[in-house]
Amino acid sequence: EAGVTQSPTHLIKTRGQQATLRCSPISGHTSVYWYQQALGLGLQFLLWYDEGEERNRGNFPPRFSGRQFPNYSSELNVNALELEDSALYLCASSWGDRGNQPQHFGDGTRLSIL
Amino acid sequence: GIQVEQSPPDLILQEGANSTLRCNFSDSVNNLQWFHQNPWGQLINLFYIPSGTKQNGRLSATTVATERYSLLYISSSQTTDSGVYFCAVGSHSGGGADGLTFGKGTHLIIQP
Repeated sequence: EAGVTQSPTHLIKTRGQQATLRCSPISGHTSVYWYQQALGLGLQFLLWYDEGEERNRGNFPPRFSGRQFPNYSSELNVNALELEDSALYLCASSWGDRGNQPQHFGDGTRLSIL
Repeated sequence: GIQVEQSPPDLILQEGANSTLRCNFSDSVNNLQWFHQNPWGQLINLFYIPSGTKQNGRLSATTVATERYSLLYISSSQTTDSGVYFCAVGSHSGGGADGLTFGKGTHLIIQP
């Protein structure tokens, strides 16, 4: 069974640009979560999508957004990139919408802002 | 929001030693997971353990939900066990699930 897959592995952008990160969940999982791991800030919850809808978001500005497609894959979009957006972005998937199922993580996308 | 504290923050051991990592959390949870993050940034699932005890080879974990803590035991450490160990919890508020809240991790170094 394939795990959570993320693309691209690395992404280099400049300030003010937009970045799009992609995630494919484990087959059968309907929930997709996004997390940011920035240096010195630890792992922080960004967004949660389930059945195509945004269900919850962490303490991040609106320029962090995304969507979930009918096949449950997901995109994370970051607009007006800032230097502090440089981080490892991790996607996770789980079954169900009650938050009481284990989350399985992909290998992440390293976003570097020059 | 829920608070997660892990201890110790850093741990240096010789190969073959045993260790206990602790995770305290501030509220009731419906999800608790332990992860190992390797030097390449990959988060490896170790345990899903909102309550009870589980074992997987040299690793075991116990969560006492009523006292709001979890312990991860590593026996007979190997150099490949080096990395950062994270505890993450999920709560259920307002009728919907929250994302996982992570502790700051325990940085484990196993020396040969």
